[in-house]
Amino acid sequence: GAVVSQHPSRVICKSGTSVKIECRSLDFQATTMFWYRQFPKQSLMLMATSNEGSKATYEQGVEKDKFLINHASLTLSTLTVTSAHPEDSSFYICSARTGRLSGSDGYTFGSGTRLTVV
Amino acid sequence: QKEVEQNSGPLSVPEGAIASLNCTYSDRGSQSFFWYRQYSGKSPELIMFIYSNGDKEDGRFTAQLNKASQYVSLLIRDSQPSDSATYLCAVNHPGGGADGLTFGKGTHLIIQP
Repeated sequence: GAVVSQHPSRVICKSGTSVKIECRSLDFQATTMFWYRQFPKQSLMLMATSNEGSKATYEQGVEKDKFLINHASLTLSTLTVTSAHPEDSSFYICSARTGRLSGSDGYTFGSGTRLTVV
Repeated sequence: QKEVEQNSGPLSVPEGAIASLNCTYSDRGSQSFFWYRQYSGKSPELIMFIYSNGDKEDGRFTAQLNKASQYVSLLIRDSQPSDSATYLCAVNHPGGGADGLTFGKGTHLIIQP
């Protein structure tokens, strides 16, 4: 089935620095990638949708200049948290849009990245 | 505003009993409905998806959808301690080129041995 590899799984960074999270589709082409954020004891909140070769679409309230998304190829999408602050500490999860043949009915999730900003 | 509502629980069920998880959604245009299981610190894993009104069964799991009532549920038969997790209901809103999932806050299920 479709697999999305997400790295790193955990990262600790200092306040003010930037962190890049990568999601790769291993055996399929992901034309669309979704990025979610999950705070403790909360649900996944969609941050943005990225389509290969075009600008990402951000959900209301998500700062596009802070959360930079690049989807330059059909197998790689990245999320960069710029000038990270402690309030950005969260669990970030990517999800690729796949066809129904994947068995997941169109959404394959990465394993998530736990970001801690100190 | 597209919303998905779930009772956060915890829902405590004895081992071997049936666990019933419920979810309501606000957008009548929603077409696909998903149940995910999420263990602490892990990414969600798909349990079932359903499109049509009625029941859909897969092993110990049954998803039920009632579009008129905007209600979707998940039944887990013969509950096992390993079923203890947070169950997320998610809804797809196709159209406009962006069809990411909207998730509920999840129901924390505890299966008591």
